[in-house]
Amino acid sequence: AQKITQTQPGMFVQEKEAVTLDCTYDTSDQSYGLFWYKQPSSGEMIFLIYQGSYDEQNATEGRYSLNFQKARKSANLVISASQLGDSAMYFCAMRDSNYQLIWGAGTKLIIKP
Amino acid sequence: GAVVSQHPSRVICKSGTSVKIECRSLDFQATTMFWYRQFPKQSLMLMATSNEGSKATYEQGVEKDKFLINHASLTLSTLTVTSAHPEDSSFYICSAAGGEGNQPQHFGDGTRLSIL
Repeated sequence: AQKITQTQPGMFVQEKEAVTLDCTYDTSDQSYGLFWYKQPSSGEMIFLIYQGSYDEQNATEGRYSLNFQKARKSANLVISASQLGDSAMYFCAMRDSNYQLIWGAGTKLIIKP
Repeated sequence: GAVVSQHPSRVICKSGTSVKIECRSLDFQATTMFWYRQFPKQSLMLMATSNEGSKATYEQGVEKDKFLINHASLTLSTLTVTSAHPEDSSFYICSAAGGEGNQPQHFGDGTRLSIL
């Protein structure tokens, strides 16, 4: 069965430090996509970064990068130089062959000043 | 970037009322729209998938007569919660996808529904 696992329910990080949010996945599909979304307390879901299963390079978008280790089935999100505005829930998701997203349970990230 | 507008953002109404939530893709054609429900401190739960011009596909356990979905055009999908009761109170959020494999789902800002 397809599954996304986020093992960190919550994290506290000092402002300006880098933070890694863990995500592992399970799928038998050869082609799949991995996404990270940010959800602030206001509720909207903000797309951060995408990694395709056939992409050889790790995806990067500004301060966000995705540490994709296919053999280990992990797709960790790395946020460099964290800011107070990064405090939010972060969800890892995988797109299945029906274009539906399978969601992890989320990690609540709190940046301390 | 792609913009999805969801309206209304907040609804408070009496038990027995039907509530319609609109989801519009403003600058792209959404071949598929998704409706989610989110309980506090939990992840998103997919309710249904809708494709323009066809009936929505509901997830197991979601009552299609309770949660009516209409996807009338490539830019508009609506979710109607019929005869809402307090247990229907939740955060409902829609997303839209253009169909390309590497394109993300773009989300509306969500609707907080409170049934008194």
